[in-house]
Amino acid sequence: GENVEQHPSTLSVQEGDSAVIKCTYSDSASNYFPWYKQELGKGPQLIIDIRSNVGEKKDQRIAVTLNKTAKHFSLHITETQPEDSAVYFCAAPMNRDDKIIFGKGTRLHILP
Amino acid sequence: NAGVTQTPKFRVLKTGQSMTLLCAQDMNHEYMYWYRQDPGMGLRLIHYSVGEGTTAKGEVPDGYNVSRLKKQNFLLGLESAAPSQTSVYFCASSYILGADQETQYFGPGTRLLVL
Repeated sequence: GENVEQHPSTLSVQEGDSAVIKCTYSDSASNYFPWYKQELGKGPQLIIDIRSNVGEKKDQRIAVTLNKTAKHFSLHITETQPEDSAVYFCAAPMNRDDKIIFGKGTRLHILP
Repeated sequence: NAGVTQTPKFRVLKTGQSMTLLCAQDMNHEYMYWYRQDPGMGLRLIHYSVGEGTTAKGEVPDGYNVSRLKKQNFLLGLESAAPSQTSVYFCASSYILGADQETQYFGPGTRLLVL
């Protein structure tokens, strides 16, 4: 069935180090892959997205890579800072039904 | 431009009571969504709408109803609340999905406790 799997569920990294979160999806027709960040007590907010016609996209300290053949995409955060601590969600659209399926989330802790 | 707003922010219900959650957006978005968020479960789609007057079921629609009478509003109803519906509910909106995938904008959430 339609599914988006996200790993790991929890990730702790030392401040200044890099963090990587990975997702796989099942619908080979998907062509848009957003990442959302959710801070405590707030709704998720888009931080970066990638469309299937490119393999990588960067925005300052964050980047997303996409491997359509393997049906997986990853979020990379470099030079992590305390404000990066949050829950991160990947998502992929299920084109047949005009809806987006979210991964279960990764809680990222930045250690001082 | 307020974006996506949700009312109420917090509510306590007794089992069997009914209530309606209101979502409003001022971005002229076509698509609107209702999600619930439970610990370890991520965001699960309850119902969604691809335009005024339309609604469709998501992953977990049972026990909920929705209406989209006006383009800017999307209502989520619980006819007979159950403790299993204790959750945080998020509304979101976007321009369109499909050929041109677009960002979803989320509201601040409604925390619902059913006793």
